[in-house]
Amino acid sequence: AQSVTQPDIHITVSEGASLELRCNYSYGATPYLFWYVQSPGQGLQLLLKYFSGDTLVQGIKGFEAEFKRSQSSFNLRKPSVHWSDAAEYFCAVGAQAGTALIFGKGTTLSVSS
Amino acid sequence: KAGVTQTPRYLIKTRGQQVTLSCSPISGHRSVSWYQQTPGQGLQFLFEYFSETQRNKGNFPGRFSGRQFSNSRSEMNVSTLELGDSALYLCASRVVEGKGNNEQFFGPGTRLTVL
Repeated sequence: AQSVTQPDIHITVSEGASLELRCNYSYGATPYLFWYVQSPGQGLQLLLKYFSGDTLVQGIKGFEAEFKRSQSSFNLRKPSVHWSDAAEYFCAVGAQAGTALIFGKGTTLSVSS
Repeated sequence: KAGVTQTPRYLIKTRGQQVTLSCSPISGHRSVSWYQQTPGQGLQFLFEYFSETQRNKGNFPGRFSGRQFSNSRSEMNVSTLELGDSALYLCASRVVEGKGNNEQFFGPGTRLTVL
């Protein structure tokens, strides 16, 4: 079955510390992978995407993610977290032709001062 | 370029009523998808419309329906509302053709509360 797992429901990180959010996927075809961020009461904003090529992808707001096919993972990282990064983060997988995205349950990030 | 817009932003309905939500995609985007977001089930795909035709459908009952107009704007309808339909309904649009054709851009959502 196709699925996305985000093992961490809630993570708290000190401001200025590094961050890694985990994402594992199960997908029969070549996966197209995404990370979205959602602030309270808002829609989803695309942080970055992986289609093919270099397995380390750069996104907006200083985020990056690494695709590891052998581990079926697409973890999101940021070297130094800012208080404004506090939000909910969703990993998603889709097919080449678009259409339905399958989302993980999300990880809520809190930033402590 | 304006983003995806959804109206209304908030709705309160009672059980048994029906509701219509509207979505205007980014200019030039021809596909519109709808997702339901609830605390229990997370984000779930409802359906996608392209060229006024439903192209893909998620696992939702027939009470959930939609349509797309010639200008790519889309509406979603839920009939005979149930308490469990309370959710944030998100609309997303994408280009369809060319590079990045599966990158979806989301609107702010419509928060539906069923009493």
